Amino acid sequence: EPEVTQTPSHQVTQMGQEVILRCVPISNHLYFYWYRQILGQKVEFLVSFYNNEISEKSEIFDDQFSVERPDGSNFTLKIRSTKLEDSAMYFCASSADRSNEKLFFGSGTQLSVL
Amino acid sequence: AQTVTQSQPEMSVQEAETVTLSCTYDTSENNYYLFWYKQPPSRQMILVIRQEAYKQQNATENRFSVNFQKAAKSFSLKISDSQLGDTAMYFCAFISNTGNQFYFGTGTSLTVIP
Repeated sequence: EPEVTQTPSHQVTQMGQEVILRCVPISNHLYFYWYRQILGQKVEFLVSFYNNEISEKSEIFDDQFSVERPDGSNFTLKIRSTKLEDSAMYFCASSADRSNEKLFFGSGTQLSVL
Repeated sequence: AQTVTQSQPEMSVQEAETVTLSCTYDTSENNYYLFWYKQPPSRQMILVIRQEAYKQQNATENRFSVNFQKAAKSFSLKISDSQLGDTAMYFCAFISNTGNQFYFGTGTSLTVIP
């Protein structure tokens, strides 16, 4: 079965540093998402992306966050200046169409900000 | 606004027995999808089962089935013949037919006891 691939699986960074989380969605998918899950809490929506632009973003997705699809296969989430509260598991997800019938999640990147 | 509520933070079941996890949701939409995701200790998000709101028939996937009550906005997950590998956090999720983001519940931690 096709899968969404995320790298790295675990990223450790110092507060104030920039991090880039990488995702390779399933090849024929058109809709891309980032979610995050702080340990012990529920999964929260960050941003959705379609046709090379953001289609929706949450309050969490402030100016410190950005997304990009640089080369037609990768989908990246950048955090410009990390804060302690950015420590979380970040999930990339993709779907084939607008119907939201099935969303495939990657295995996540655990970000630890020290 | 959409909300998803899981009122059982923890549950346990004996191996080979049946367990039901509860989920309620609130929406003014008429067309939407409901999901149950499993998150084992590896923290990967795995789709368990999906239900389209316009379908009256309850979805079934092997040992997993749902009881979808649209009028009551209830979407419970039944796991039959529980196995040790079913031990995980289970999240109920909602997305409207036209929406860009999933809404997740707070999760139910299920432990299967040998």
